[in-house]
Amino acid sequence: EDQVTQSPEALRLQEGESSSLNCSYTVSGLRGLFWYRQDPGKGPEFLFTLYSAGEEKEKERLKATLTKKESFLHITAPKPEDSATYLCAVQAGNTDKLIFGTGTRLQVFP
Amino acid sequence: DVKVTQSSRYLVKRTGEKVFLECVQDMDHENMFWYRQDPGLGLRLIYFSYDVKMKEKGDIPEGYSVSREKKERFSLILESASTNQTSMYLCASRRGTGSPKNYGYTFGSGTRLTVV
Repeated sequence: EDQVTQSPEALRLQEGESSSLNCSYTVSGLRGLFWYRQDPGKGPEFLFTLYSAGEEKEKERLKATLTKKESFLHITAPKPEDSATYLCAVQAGNTDKLIFGTGTRLQVFP
Repeated sequence: DVKVTQSSRYLVKRTGEKVFLECVQDMDHENMFWYRQDPGLGLRLIYFSYDVKMKEKGDIPEGYSVSREKKERFSLILESASTNQTSMYLCASRRGTGSPKNYGYTFGSGTRLTVV
């Protein structure tokens, strides 16, 4: 069964304290791995798509990487405005459906 | 800027009522999706549609139906609302699988439905 697991569930960081969020997956025929950011009471906002192992994408303080079993979202020198829930999702096989993890809730304190 | 618009941000309905949640996208996307999001459970797929008048069940379709009469509009219907359908409902759209790039979904802002 296709599955996505995110860890940790919650992460508290001091402003400037870099860290990583993990997304491990088991899927038959990965077509893409997606990272989203979700603010409270809002819909998820697209961040990155990764297609193959070894691929990396960057956006401001965020960098996403992909291996054959997991993806990491690295946050460098985070700021309070980076506080949000970060969701990982995979698309498998010949389908348009995404399978989501339950997210990591990130809080960055000044 | 491309958009997925959900008609209501907050709704309060009574048990047994028929509830309609509306979603409109302006990106000419083939695929549209309805998810519900609950704490600790993440996003779970209710129904999706890959073309006008076409629909497929997701992982939790019981108690729901959908309608897609036009490409840009995808409606979720709660036939007889129950308290366990209290949740955040998220609509999303994306290009079809025939597209050269596998882009992620674009989500709406969500509808928080409370059934009392």
